[in-house]
Amino acid sequence: KQEVTQIPAALSVPEGENLVLNCSFTDSAIYNLQWFRQDPGKGLTSLLLIQSSQREQTSGRLNASLDKSSGRSTLYIAASQPGDSATYLCAVRDNTDKLIFGTGTRLQVFP
Amino acid sequence: DAGITQSPRHKVTETGTPVTLRCHQTENHRYMYWYRQDPGHGLRLIHYSYGVKDTDKGEVSDGYSVSRSKTEDFLLTLESATSSQTSVYFCAISVLGGRDTGELFFGEGSRLTVL
Repeated sequence: KQEVTQIPAALSVPEGENLVLNCSFTDSAIYNLQWFRQDPGKGLTSLLLIQSSQREQTSGRLNASLDKSSGRSTLYIAASQPGDSATYLCAVRDNTDKLIFGTGTRLQVFP
Repeated sequence: DAGITQSPRHKVTETGTPVTLRCHQTENHRYMYWYRQDPGHGLRLIHYSYGVKDTDKGEVSDGYSVSRSKTEDFLLTLESATSSQTSVYFCAISVLGGRDTGELFFGEGSRLTVL
């Protein structure tokens, strides 16, 4: 059974720092991996999608990498801002079209 | 914006009553999902659909049923609500692009409280 783990569970950093959020999964037979952001009381917003054949994806200050063989993905946030404060979730899609989520990293960026 | 609307957004009901949550999409995507989100458990798949009248169970399907009679609507029904079904329910759709990307987009959620 696929299990997805995110470390750390919570992170508090000053504005301007570069951050790395980690996601690990137990079964490397994935179709893709997706990173989401969730603000309190809101739905999930898709940030980046990495296909199983890809190594990384970039969008603005965000960069996500994927190492399927080791079962790991990282989300790199450059020059963090208070507006980046949210919960970040990763999810892997297996070949049965189901998305399995981690429990998230709650990020707070303070001025 | 993937054109997903959930209704109702908030509902309070009593134990034993039936409840139906609706997910509506405007773009005719084939795959639709229902998740619940609870503190300490994250998001867990309840049921999903891969086409009209084609549905399958997720990891926490007990106590829930679904129906999809047309592409744009995916209904989640709690036949007899229990307090353990108090949760935030999210609908999602899978957008398949030219390379079958399978990116998931979520609705805003439906907060259900069962007293």
